[in-house]
Amino acid sequence: DAGITQSPRHKVTETGTPVTLRCHQTENHRYMYWYRQDPGHGLRLIHYSYGVKDTDKGEVSDGYSVSRSKTEDFLLTLESATSSQTSVYFCAISPLGPSYEQYFGPGTRLTVT
Amino acid sequence: QQQVKQSPQSLIVQKGGISIINCAYENTAFDYFPWYQQFPGKGPALLIAIRPDVSEKKEGRFTISFNKSAKQFSLHIMDSQPGDSATYFCAASEGETSGSRLTFGEGTQLTVNP
Repeated sequence: DAGITQSPRHKVTETGTPVTLRCHQTENHRYMYWYRQDPGHGLRLIHYSYGVKDTDKGEVSDGYSVSRSKTEDFLLTLESATSSQTSVYFCAISPLGPSYEQYFGPGTRLTVT
Repeated sequence: QQQVKQSPQSLIVQKGGISIINCAYENTAFDYFPWYQQFPGKGPALLIAIRPDVSEKKEGRFTISFNKSAKQFSLHIMDSQPGDSATYFCAASEGETSGSRLTFGEGTQLTVNP
């Protein structure tokens, strides 16, 4: 998985509780991304980061926040989890350059009850 | 608004046959078109990618065909094998100006019967 780890790998939480997912890379890549995967929707971008403390919104950013204080870590926070946020969350990294390739982590399965 | 539409949702092919998955896009600023393969419980893995300056790219049994005027591209898997059974996603990107963010199709679940 291209030097990407995600934690936790599985989590069950209750509606209204805060949740933080962590993505850690060992590749020193500049760009990092958070996607969610839901049946019938493919993967949808939540937020991405183009450097330490530099982030931007994706297409489904409502209810999510992110932080990147170090190159290697990108955190995704659900301030108050809702059942609609039950999903599989994937982190991806990209060295950018001409190829635009993105490499994905193993995913975190989050269930909000 | 789904900017990348993928079909079919599911596909069953016999071993040795050709699997074909199609995608259509709307945004003419897209300039990078990758395909990802995903096995259950795993993250998507980059399979093959193409840029709009070429009409076809082949890597082993996998070929991307690209039609810029029709805004369509497709993945062909020749001599399909049971090990190819997975979910395939097409995607598109505008490149560095948009942070190389990917817009994905809905996915195609491919089953190759032995």
